[in-house]
Amino acid sequence: EIVLTQSPATLSLSPGERATLSCRASQSVRSHLAWFQQKRDQAPSLLIFDASKRAAGTPARFRANGSATDFTLTISSLEPEDFAVYYCQQRSNWPPLTFGGGTKVEIK
Amino acid sequence: QVQLVQSGAEVKKPGASVKVSCEASGYTFINYGISWVRQAPGQGPEWMGWISAHNGDTNYAQKFQGRVTMTTDTVTSTAYMELRSLRSDDTAVYFCARDYDPLKGYYVNLDHWGQGTLVTVSS
Repeated sequence: EIVLTQSPATLSLSPGERATLSCRASQSVRSHLAWFQQKRDQAPSLLIFDASKRAAGTPARFRANGSATDFTLTISSLEPEDFAVYYCQQRSNWPPLTFGGGTKVEIK
Repeated sequence: QVQLVQSGAEVKKPGASVKVSCEASGYTFINYGISWVRQAPGQGPEWMGWISAHNGDTNYAQKFQGRVTMTTDTVTSTAYMELRSLRSDDTAVYFCARDYDPLKGYYVNLDHWGQGTLVTVSS
């Protein structure tokens, strides 16, 4: 099973600042990586698929890149609605699908 | 618009079973799969398994093999997830999500989710 490790666990930033989130895979997932945003008491919401493609409705301030084992999600300028938990997820050679442990982006 | 609407919260005793439903609308149900994902309190998402709405093929996470059954009803465009022999650590919110079906070729990756169903296991 492919293990995804996200860092940092918590990111304390102010609105307008840039957020950089990392996801590292225990083995290559090629480009089969997605990013989700989850707000309190809501289902996860797909932001990015195939490592760098924005899902419908994802604002342009969300950018992602990476391949194989190292991936990054960048939020160029944090809006108030961006403070949430972010998960990466892989589907290379599934099953199983696996998720990372999450990064909480909180208001500083 | 694509919607997945799940059944309501459940409270079960240890050893019992629970069956959660997920009614899909706004797309051609048989062209995609459905994945089930659960999330325990304060934890990250955990994938439980997948079912093809086209032919009923399933893939279950090893952790749930023998204890979970996923089915679909193509007449009502509804997916079901039954979990048996419930334990207290099965207390979680259970989600369905639209997923890819390799046999159909319409590529998506958990792009639409149900609202979640809280299952509480307590004596």
